[in-house]
Amino acid sequence: GQQLNQSPQSMFIQEGEDVSMNCTSSSIFNTWLWYKQDPGEGPVLLIALYKAGELTSNGRLTAQFGITRKDSFLNISASIPSDVGIYFCAGLSNTGNQFYFGTGTSLTVIP
Amino acid sequence: DAGITQSPRHKVTETGTPVTLRCHQTENHRYMYWYRQDPGHGLRLIHYSYGVKDTDKGEVSDGYSVSRSKTEDFLLTLESATSSQTSVYFCAISGPGQGSNQPQHFGDGTRLSIL
Repeated sequence: GQQLNQSPQSMFIQEGEDVSMNCTSSSIFNTWLWYKQDPGEGPVLLIALYKAGELTSNGRLTAQFGITRKDSFLNISASIPSDVGIYFCAGLSNTGNQFYFGTGTSLTVIP
Repeated sequence: DAGITQSPRHKVTETGTPVTLRCHQTENHRYMYWYRQDPGHGLRLIHYSYGVKDTDKGEVSDGYSVSRSKTEDFLLTLESATSSQTSVYFCAISGPGQGSNQPQHFGDGTRLSIL
């Protein structure tokens, strides 16, 4: 299957700091999704991106669809304790109808 | 909450026994999916459905079968469970549009342990 490389694997930051994470693929993707997962729950959709170069915000979260269509970025501004969780990217290739998921970035926010 | 209910939420069973997991949606979405989540692998697609009685395999389909007799229900069956199938299983639906590129919304998962 498709490989999505998500980095970093984990982050430990102070409350109030900004966070950046990214997802890269060896293939071109038509759609990028970003999810957050809390322990014992399913992933929750944060942002969906459909066009190369697209920049979309959801509150303190901003995500971008990379120009090359092989990457995507998620930024969180002014982090708060409830941002703790695992963030996943997912991409839909232009050759199929299956989303592929990254292995996640674990975020810890230190009060 | 996207109107997805998975049952059971937890199950412990023995190797060689059959297991069926149920996903029920109230959104009338066309596409439904079963994933497994394991450490170091993220979410991997097992099977998906694009309509009643219409299903297809994902990247880790061996040892699993699915059925969809109604729009709202998608069943995942392990005919003879093995320890390698111990995992957390998530159901997802995609919508609100009809295309396969619609965002997927997940249930809360079923934690399955096979001893």
